[in-house]
Amino acid sequence: DAGVIQSPRHEVTEMGQEVTLRCKPISGHNSLFWYRQTMMRGLELLIYFNNNVPIDDSGMPEDRFSAKMPNASFSTLKIQPSEPRDSAVYFCASSNLAGKYNEQFFGPGTRLTVL
Amino acid sequence: AQSVTQLGSHVSVSEGALVLLRCNYSSSVPPYLFWYVQYPNQGLQLLLKYTSAATLVKGINGFEAEFKKSETSFHLTKPSAHMSDAAEYFCAVGPSGTYKYIFGTGTRLKVLA
Repeated sequence: DAGVIQSPRHEVTEMGQEVTLRCKPISGHNSLFWYRQTMMRGLELLIYFNNNVPIDDSGMPEDRFSAKMPNASFSTLKIQPSEPRDSAVYFCASSNLAGKYNEQFFGPGTRLTVL
Repeated sequence: AQSVTQLGSHVSVSEGALVLLRCNYSSSVPPYLFWYVQYPNQGLQLLLKYTSAATLVKGINGFEAEFKKSETSFHLTKPSAHMSDAAEYFCAVGPSGTYKYIFGTGTRLKVLA
C-alpha cells in the first residue's frame, strides 16, 4: 500500500492567493482527517470526514478555510485568501473506523509558507 | 473529557542511555493510547498502541510502553538510545468507537554522542 499521499509537499505563495492542498487516503479507509501543525499550537484537528461526509469542522479556523471530499479516494483543503499566519505544515490522515482500534495513518504533510 | 499531558517538551539523553518519555492521560472511559514518532520533515508514524490486550506494549525500533491505570500513565521507554531515535514523540488518547484523537504537545528527543 502506498500510504496516505499528499500534494504538494511544499507550497510557497503570496498573501491573498488561493491555496489548495490535496490528499489521497489509504484505499479502504472510511475516515479522513486534516490537521495543522505549528510550533505555537502543536497539532490541531481541522476537519474530519466519515464516508466522504464532513462530520466535525469545528477546528476550521475561519471561513477562509474549506474542505471537500468528493469521493472516497480524494480530499482537498482550500485556503482563500491565504494569510501569513496560515503558514504551517498540514497533514492528512486516514483511518478505518470499522476497524477495532481507530489507528490513524498520516501522510508526509504539506509545508505551506505564505509570504 | 479526555486529555493527554506530556511532561518535558525537550529531553536529552546520551547515546546508549535509557530513554524515558512521559505521558499521563485523563479519560472517563477505558482509553486506547498511542505513541507516534515524527522525524524531521516527515509525517507521524505509529510506534505502538495500547488496546487493553496487554499492559506492556512493544513497538517498533525497540520502544515499549507500559499502561498503568492506577497512575493514569503510558510512559515510553527504550533501554538504549540510538542517534537515529532523535525525533519528536507524541502521545495520543482515543476512546473506542470515536474518531477524535487527543494529541499531547510532543516531546523532542535529542540523543547526544
